[in-house]
Amino acid sequence: DQQVKQNSPSLSVQEGRISILNCDYTNSMFDYFLWYKKYPAEGPTFLISISSIKDKNEDGRFTVFLNKSAKHLSLHIVPSQPGDSAVYFCAANGGSEKLVFGKGTKLTVNP
Amino acid sequence: DAGVIQSPRHEVTEMGQEVTLRCKPISGHNSLFWYRQTMMRGLELLIYFNNNVPIDDSGMPEDRFSAKMPNASFSTLKIQPSEPRDSAVYFCASSLVGGIQETQYFGPGTRLLVL
Repeated sequence: DQQVKQNSPSLSVQEGRISILNCDYTNSMFDYFLWYKKYPAEGPTFLISISSIKDKNEDGRFTVFLNKSAKHLSLHIVPSQPGDSAVYFCAANGGSEKLVFGKGTKLTVNP
Repeated sequence: DAGVIQSPRHEVTEMGQEVTLRCKPISGHNSLFWYRQTMMRGLELLIYFNNNVPIDDSGMPEDRFSAKMPNASFSTLKIQPSEPRDSAVYFCASSLVGGIQETQYFGPGTRLLVL
């Protein structure tokens, strides 16, 4: 039973346009959400997070939106750059140290 | 600052052999996590430690897997005997537990191939 779902295995966008990566969760106990970025042959690196008390968090070109009623979050990258091409993982945490990860979305930004 | 260090980066072994993966967490971090990544199951938590004590090993697939953390700067994940279905990338991550919400920092992973 997947508690964190990333339904799009891949996404392709043009350089300069917006990338929107989506994530859904089922466990209403989750109260902290993170996005990780992973390049080939490297470990995931932390990108941005959001607490359930907020509905938006912004860091430079990256913004995460949280819709608690829909149990949905999204990561927006504006403008997208070729260096953003990577696999993006959504993760959730609910009052313990354990993170539950989605299966990832592979983003390709075309020059 | 050194990040999480894992060794070896690649391991090729034959079925039935013992495999030991090693991890050095970020200095000062007090939690350590072992993950396995496969195409089918994605990134799944195997076990985690807090202050060198195993807290949750519910993700360990079976008795062939064991993990230890003898001190704050070192952990091992052992598979004995190894099987081809254990082939995966194994990640170690560490975090500083000060409240409920912490960020985990990952090592580069060990790519294991069991023939």
